[in-house]
Amino acid sequence: SQTIHQWPATLVQPVGSPLSLECTVEGTSNPNLYWYRQAAGRGLQLLFYSVGIGQISSEVPQNLSASRPQDRQFILSSKKLLLSDSGFYLCAWGRSNTEAFFGQGTRLTVV
Amino acid sequence: LAKTTQPISMDSYEGQEVNITCSHNNIATNDYITWYQQFPSQGPRFIIQGYKTKVTNEVASLFIPADRKSSTLSLPRVSLSDTAVYYCLVGGDNQGGKLIFGQGTELSVKP
Repeated sequence: SQTIHQWPATLVQPVGSPLSLECTVEGTSNPNLYWYRQAAGRGLQLLFYSVGIGQISSEVPQNLSASRPQDRQFILSSKKLLLSDSGFYLCAWGRSNTEAFFGQGTRLTVV
Repeated sequence: LAKTTQPISMDSYEGQEVNITCSHNNIATNDYITWYQQFPSQGPRFIIQGYKTKVTNEVASLFIPADRKSSTLSLPRVSLSDTAVYYCLVGGDNQGGKLIFGQGTELSVKP
């Protein structure tokens, strides 16, 4: 069976510090991978998606970047965090455009 | 990508049947309709998916009229634990990996 791992669960970082969130998927190959952000009380905002190694599509220009160094690894990064980067970050994988399976999420608070 | 429109919120009482309707006027021939459920501080989870007519599983039913321009998620005899945000997604495999969630419907079940 397929599983998705996302860590850490919670993170408190000072403004201006770097960020690295990692997501890995097991039990499948060549999945579509996604990073979403959810602000309090709001919907899911698609940040990045990838259909293969090294292929990253950015949906919203912002202070974040994503990389896919391996088939089942997706990393969300920032060189310098802003207060507005606070939120609930979710990684997901899918085999088509009709389904997505989510990790448990990372609650990021920038202080 | 087909745009979806759902009510922002709905209220219900325990034991009632809840129907949440999603409009997707621009649905394409190859698009599927998928519904997700999200509890606070968790990632969304797949509930049900359909292409046309009616689909039923152990959790819900999905009704899709012949023109497919809308769909209705039906939750039978809701309980307090069904309080969540419900998302309707429309998409197919011709979207290059992109998977966008709308604002969803916040369902509140009261005792």
